[in-house]
Amino acid sequence: QVQLQESGPGLVKPSETLSLTCTVSGGSISNYFWSWIRQPPGKGLEWIGHISHTGKINYNPSLKSRLTISLDTSKKQFSLTLNSVTAADTAVYYCAGEGLSPWYLDLWGRGTLVTVSS
Amino acid sequence: DIQMTQSPSSLSASVGDRVTITCRANQNINTFLNWYQQKPGKAPKILIYGASSFQSGVSSRFSGSGSGTDFTLTINSLQPEDFATYYCQQSYSIPRTFGPGTKVDIK
Repeated sequence: QVQLQESGPGLVKPSETLSLTCTVSGGSISNYFWSWIRQPPGKGLEWIGHISHTGKINYNPSLKSRLTISLDTSKKQFSLTLNSVTAADTAVYYCAGEGLSPWYLDLWGRGTLVTVSS
Repeated sequence: DIQMTQSPSSLSASVGDRVTITCRANQNINTFLNWYQQKPGKAPKILIYGASSFQSGVSSRFSGSGSGTDFTLTINSLQPEDFATYYCQQSYSIPRTFGPGTKVDIK
């Protein structure tokens, strides 16, 4: 059974860079779009972006200027980097897997809370 | 971006009730509509994909319908474990977008 696990700092200072990694275990990294979704405390879900096992990337335009998603197939890890963070970036960040057609998020990590604060 | 709306934003129901949640897209998304359940402190869980297809392991109490712009999630005979927040999501285009959620709590 495929499992996802997020890792990274839980506290980031304003204007600095948020970096998270998701490790895929128990299955292949193929046949999925590897995704990041976030949820501010008490609020709804926001899709951040995804990367396929072939390296095709799609970003949310609202974050694109600050965002990088990358994939390391040898380590079965994918990563999120978000620059110039503010308090508005405080959220639980989930990594997830979206199957290839009909495209739905059927794999989820447990989520990790990232707080932006000085 | 495709905008998703849901109604109601919250509802109170009793065990055994039938509950209906509506999701609307502001443009045609065919049947690229998914429903997720989220419980407090947990990651969302897929219930229905492609508007009406059941995810393996999900109770048959849950059903989905609709196409184009209007969609419905129905929960038959609500059970205690069904009290949660439900989100719709379109996978028709990038960026993927979610509805604001519908919180189902105990009356």
